[in-house]
Amino acid sequence: QSALTQPASVSGSPGQSITISCTGTSSDVGAYNFVSWYQQHPGKAPKLMIYDVSNRPSGVSDRFSGSKSGNTASLTISGLQAEDEADYYCCSHTSGSTPYVFGTGTKVTVL
Amino acid sequence: EVQLLESGGGLVQPGGSLRLSCAASGFTFKNYAMTWVRQAPGKGLEWVSSISGGAGSTYYADSVRGRFTISRDNSKNTLYLQMNSLRADDTAVYYCAKDRNSLTGFDYWGQGALVTVSS
Repeated sequence: QSALTQPASVSGSPGQSITISCTGTSSDVGAYNFVSWYQQHPGKAPKLMIYDVSNRPSGVSDRFSGSKSGNTASLTISGLQAEDEADYYCCSHTSGSTPYVFGTGTKVTVL
Repeated sequence: EVQLLESGGGLVQPGGSLRLSCAASGFTFKNYAMTWVRQAPGKGLEWVSSISGGAGSTYYADSVRGRFTISRDNSKNTLYLQMNSLRADDTAVYYCAKDRNSLTGFDYWGQGALVTVSS
């Protein structure tokens, strides 16, 4: 099972919006609405930001939103803040030999 | 408050074995699937293994199948990962994570346990 494809890095200025893509196949992202997104600060454990493509867990800022079109899921961060600088990973259920696959990860830099 | 606390990490020689534990609290452990995810130094997240709440179903990444065994003791609220025939490329921080609901993501994570495979 190959990792989902994410851009290596995305950057934006404070207050701007950025979007991170997560491209899979018709066996994972395209087949199920079971895409989740995680934020990871250096040296810390990942934190769930979005589940089931577009749902936010309690306590996660509404500046974070998710969507999906075909085999590509996206995470949008609106009103970018310094604290949003972190690595972000997508994850999808898959019909392959393993139930989950993560994305390659995207480093978000706030300029 | 949900807490997941990993233990058992350390330095092991290639070909050796190690068992990780993850002590859970703050939720009804037996009702939730649990998962191990690892992260090699400077690399991304890699799903390793998952186990259903009742332990009746287990799943493994191709990279660890046949060498690692996931298990759980619901009476002790503890998740395990037995790792045998360890290789240098198993070196990573290993996180245990609670499945939010079937297939919908991992809503709580432990702090991680570092496993270093080196001679």
